[in-house]
Amino acid sequence: SQKIEQNSEALNIQEGKTATLTCNYTNYSPAYLQWYRQDPGRGPVFLLLIRENEKEKRKERLKVTFDTTLKQSLFHITASQPADSATYLCARASGGYQKVTFGTGTKLQVIP
Amino acid sequence: EADIYQTPRYLVIGTGKKITLECSQTMGHDKMYWYQQDPGMELHLIHYSYGVNSTEKGDLSSESTVSRIRTEHFPLTLESARPSHTSQYLCASSDRVGYNEQFFGPGTRLTVL
Repeated sequence: SQKIEQNSEALNIQEGKTATLTCNYTNYSPAYLQWYRQDPGRGPVFLLLIRENEKEKRKERLKVTFDTTLKQSLFHITASQPADSATYLCARASGGYQKVTFGTGTKLQVIP
Repeated sequence: EADIYQTPRYLVIGTGKKITLECSQTMGHDKMYWYQQDPGMELHLIHYSYGVNSTEKGDLSSESTVSRIRTEHFPLTLESARPSHTSQYLCASSDRVGYNEQFFGPGTRLTVL
């Protein structure tokens, strides 16, 4: 079965630094990977997606990379702020009527 | 404003009761989903629908049932609640076109005593 693996250890980072979160997948490459932010007690919020033929995607302070050789996506938040503290979920999808599979998420804590 | 709504936000109920969790979206999305999530754990898909009168079971077995009589409405029902059903239930929708970006509701926190 297809699996999405994220580092279950929380990531603590100093304000102003770049946070880097990792998402690894097994078996075949998904057509694209999605990243979501989830705050405690709330539903996830979609942030970015990257297609398998894209190496990198940016949106404001966010950057996502997709390495099909390593079967890995990296999610970067530059100039991190305490308000960025949340759990970040990676998800694989294949488009059309395919289901989306979520990873367990990585909790990010930005320390002032 | 286009959005997705869930009610109630919190529900505490006794064992054996029948409950219905409501989910509505105003975005006109064809696809809707129910996920179950325990604190600190991953999202598990329990039901999905690709349109009116279409419902399918998800990856995680669930004793709940769903219906899709209207595009905007996707309620989830538990005929007889048990403590093992205690969890957070998240409803989501996505457009027929595009890349299946999921739009989530705020969730219902269910506690069965």
